[in-house]
Amino acid sequence: KAGVTQTPRYLIKTRGQQVTLSCSPISGHRSVSWYQQTPGQGLQFLFEYFSETQRNKGNFPGRFSGRQFSNSRSEMNVSTLELGDSALYLCASSLAYRISSYEQYFGPGTRLTVT
Amino acid sequence: GIQVEQSPPDLILQEGANSTLRCNFSDSVNNLQWFHQNPWGQLINLFYIPSGTKQNGRLSATTVATERYSLLYISSSQTTDSGVYFCALDSGGGADGLTFGKGTHLIIQP
Repeated sequence: KAGVTQTPRYLIKTRGQQVTLSCSPISGHRSVSWYQQTPGQGLQFLFEYFSETQRNKGNFPGRFSGRQFSNSRSEMNVSTLELGDSALYLCASSLAYRISSYEQYFGPGTRLTVT
Repeated sequence: GIQVEQSPPDLILQEGANSTLRCNFSDSVNNLQWFHQNPWGQLINLFYIPSGTKQNGRLSATTVATERYSLLYISSSQTTDSGVYFCALDSGGGADGLTFGKGTHLIIQP
């Protein structure tokens, strides 16, 4: 069974631009979560989607948004990019939205650099 | 929210050595996972272990939920074991996603 896939793997953007990242979960998984990893803050939860609905959201500004499609694929969007948005963005999938109950599987990540 | 502390932050060992990585947490947990982050950034699942003991080859893990800690054991280390090991957990139904520790950076020297 194929793992979680993320595209693109690397991205360079300029301040003020916007960016869209994509995540395809493991076949049969219906929950997708997004995390940001930076050297200073470590791994932080962005949001979680299940059945095309955002279930939970971390402490990030409104510039960070996402959505999930009927096939469980998810996209996250960051508008008005800032230098501090440079990070590794990781997507995780699981069978259902109860993070407490289901093992999370991560994709390879998208490394975003904002110049 | 729940606090997660991993120790040691850095560990340098010779190939063949054994090691124990520790994860302390401040509240009861429903989900606890150990990950290995490879040099390219991907988090590789090692164990899903909210309680009890599990073993997978040279790796094993134990979580003592009542005492709020988990241990990851690596025996007969190989250079490919190098990387960062994260403990991640959830205590409250997933509202805050998984909370990650700061990780243990392990270097295995040949």
